[in-house]
Amino acid sequence: QQQVKQSPQSLIVQKGGISIINCAYENTAFDYFPWYQQFPGKGPALLIAIRPDVSEKKEGRFTISFNKSAKQFSLHIMDSQPGDSATYFCAARVRRGSARQLTFGSGTQLTVLP
Amino acid sequence: GAVVSQHPSWVICKSGTSVKIECRSLDFQATTMFWYRQFPKQSLMLMATSNEGSKATYEQGVEKDKFLINHASLTLSTLTVTSAHPEDSSFYICSARAPGTGAYEQYFGPGTRLTVT
Repeated sequence: QQQVKQSPQSLIVQKGGISIINCAYENTAFDYFPWYQQFPGKGPALLIAIRPDVSEKKEGRFTISFNKSAKQFSLHIMDSQPGDSATYFCAARVRRGSARQLTFGSGTQLTVLP
Repeated sequence: GAVVSQHPSWVICKSGTSVKIECRSLDFQATTMFWYRQFPKQSLMLMATSNEGSKATYEQGVEKDKFLINHASLTLSTLTVTSAHPEDSSFYICSARAPGTGAYEQYFGPGTRLTVT
């Protein structure tokens, strides 16, 4: 059962444009929602994260919008650059026993055209 | 800070042999480490959660006798793929949780590409 649904699967944006990636979840026990950026052959790197008691968080060109009632959250990349071309994963964290485990979305391959 | 390394970065082994992958937290002590598996152009799937000094907790469908996890110290966890077969070829990624941080973030290693011939 996929608990975090991510869309779109791929996204092509012109340089300077806005990239928007959406995720939806079902489990209300999730308590932390990070976004990861992954380049080919590398491990994921934390980009930005939000807690469900906050509706928006901005760090530089990256913004997370969070809608708790709709159980949706999205990543906005402003002024997208070719160097942003990567695969982006949303994730949601839940506590299981003593551990806090992440469930990942299916990923979005972003291509920013120069 | 919060750097996680993996070794080797890539490995090729013959079918039927075993291969060990190391995951180290370089500048912090990780009480909990996670092992993920990622197929090409797919998401990360959690395989197991390991706590230092105790047995790993495996996710449903993951064979614990095939994927042996040892978390012997606060900075090292190992994943051994026993009797590897071509279908075990994948990208294996570990992560470590740094205690004491407000968000209890997971820091990911660079991954290990395993190819079984």
